[in-house]
Amino acid sequence: QQQVKQSPQSLIVQKGGISIINCAYENTAFDYFPWYQQFPGKGPALLIAIRPDVSEKKEGRFTISFNKSAKQFSLHIMDSQPGDSATYFCAARRRIQGAQKLVFGQGTRLTINP
Amino acid sequence: NAGVTQTPKFQVLKTGQSMTLQCAQDMNHEYMSWYRQDPGMGLRLIHYSVGAGITDQGEVPNGYNVSRSTTEDFPLRLLSAAPSQTSVYFCATTQGHGYTFGSGTRLTVV
Repeated sequence: QQQVKQSPQSLIVQKGGISIINCAYENTAFDYFPWYQQFPGKGPALLIAIRPDVSEKKEGRFTISFNKSAKQFSLHIMDSQPGDSATYFCAARRRIQGAQKLVFGQGTRLTINP
Repeated sequence: NAGVTQTPKFQVLKTGQSMTLQCAQDMNHEYMSWYRQDPGMGLRLIHYSVGAGITDQGEVPNGYNVSRSTTEDFPLRLLSAAPSQTSVYFCATTQGHGYTFGSGTRLTVV
C-alpha cells in the first residue's frame, strides 16, 4: 500500500521550461512534506519542504504548492536547467509515540534537455 | 565533518550468506534509520532508532536486524541473504525536520 502516490514516473522538459511533479496522500496525520533530490550514486538530499498550514512555499526556482483539502502537493521547477536532471521524491512525515517516520513517493526521473 | 558514512559502497552476496552494512554518523543525532530503495517504489523504511539501545521496525523489517549500542553507529544485518534483498540501502540521521542520508550501499544477492 503506497501511502504517498507520485506522478509522473518520468518527465522530460526542455531547458527553460517548467517541470511539475505531483503527489497525493491519504493519511491526515502527516505533518510535514519535504521534497528530495537525488543524483546518480548519491543519497537523497532535502530540496524544499512545507507544513500543511501553508499553501505555497518558494525557494529560488523551486516552489511547493499544497492543497490540504485535496490532500495533494506538487513541486514546480521554474526555468528548468540541465543541472536539475535528477530523481525527485516527495515524502510525508508522521510522528508516532516520540518517533517519526518518513514515507516516500515512488520517485520521478526528471530529464532537462538542453 | 563527514556526516553519514556508509560502508561498503558495493557488495555481492550469495543466497544464504550473511553480512552487515555499516552506518556511522558524526553529527550526534539521536534518530537514525535504514531505508531500501527499489525502482518504482521509492524509499521504504526498514528499521529505525530513536537513541542508543532503542530500535523499532519500519515498513519492511523482515530479514533484517539492527542494534544501536552507541549514538554514532547503526549497523544493519542481513541474516540469510535472499535475491529479494537486492537493493540500494540508505542510512539516515535526523535532527528536527532534517534528514541527512548517506551515499548508499548497492547490494546484489545472487
